[in-house]
Amino acid sequence: EAEVAQSPRYKITEKSQAVAFWCDPISGHATLYWYRQILGQGPELLVQFQDESVVDDSQLPKDRFSAERLKGVDSTLKIQPAELGDSAMYLCASSLGSVNTEAFFGQGTRLTVV
Amino acid sequence: GESVGLHLPTLSVQEGDNSIINCAYSNSASDYFIWYKQESGKGPQFIIDIRSNMDKRQGQRVTVLLNKTVKHLSLQIAATQPGDSAVYFCAETGGSYIPTFGRGTSLIVHP
Repeated sequence: EAEVAQSPRYKITEKSQAVAFWCDPISGHATLYWYRQILGQGPELLVQFQDESVVDDSQLPKDRFSAERLKGVDSTLKIQPAELGDSAMYLCASSLGSVNTEAFFGQGTRLTVV
Repeated sequence: GESVGLHLPTLSVQEGDNSIINCAYSNSASDYFIWYKQESGKGPQFIIDIRSNMDKRQGQRVTVLLNKTVKHLSLQIAATQPGDSAVYFCAETGGSYIPTFGRGTSLIVHP
C-alpha cells in the first residue's frame, strides 16, 4: 500500500542547532503539506507545495524555518536555529490535487529540543 | 477568525456501543470535510470524507452526517471496538482548500 514516508521518526537536538526532516510523498501526488502538531492539539499547516512551488507558507516562521521541494517530489523542512518551543510532531501529507481531495499523512517526526 | 472545533474533548464508551463524535465549524465557505483518526505516536489516518452537497455518507461501521444549517459535522461509529480508541479530528477545506484541523476528541473504548 502506498504511503507517505518520513524520516527520521525521532530527533533530539540541542537548542540553537540545525535540524532537518525529510518527506517522500505518495507517488503521483502533486500537493505536499508540512504540518506541526503540538501535543494535545490538532495539526497546524506550515507550508503547502503544488509540485515544486510554494502555494502557502503564511504560517511558516521564516526567520528560522525553511522548506523546499526542488524536483517536485520529495521535500525537506529545516529549522535553524532550533528553539525549545519547536518541540512537536512534524507531519508531512500529500494529496493528488489541491482542491477537495483527501490528504494522506506520514508517521511524522517527533522533535525534542533540549 | 474561522475555526473548526469539537464539543467534547474526551468520550468514553463500552465496547459494542455506538459512538458519536461531534464537530462544529464556522467557515460557511467550507465545502469539503474529512474525519481523521490518530493513534498515539502516529500520523492522522483518513477515515471518511463528505462534500457539502451531501448530508450523509456511510463507510464501513462509520457514518458522517453534515448539517450545513448549523455548521455541524458528526462521526458515528457503530459497534465500537477497543481498536477504535484514538483521537479523532475533523478537518475542513474552505476557500483556501487547505485542510484545517480542530483540536480533536479522544475516544476511549472500555472492553
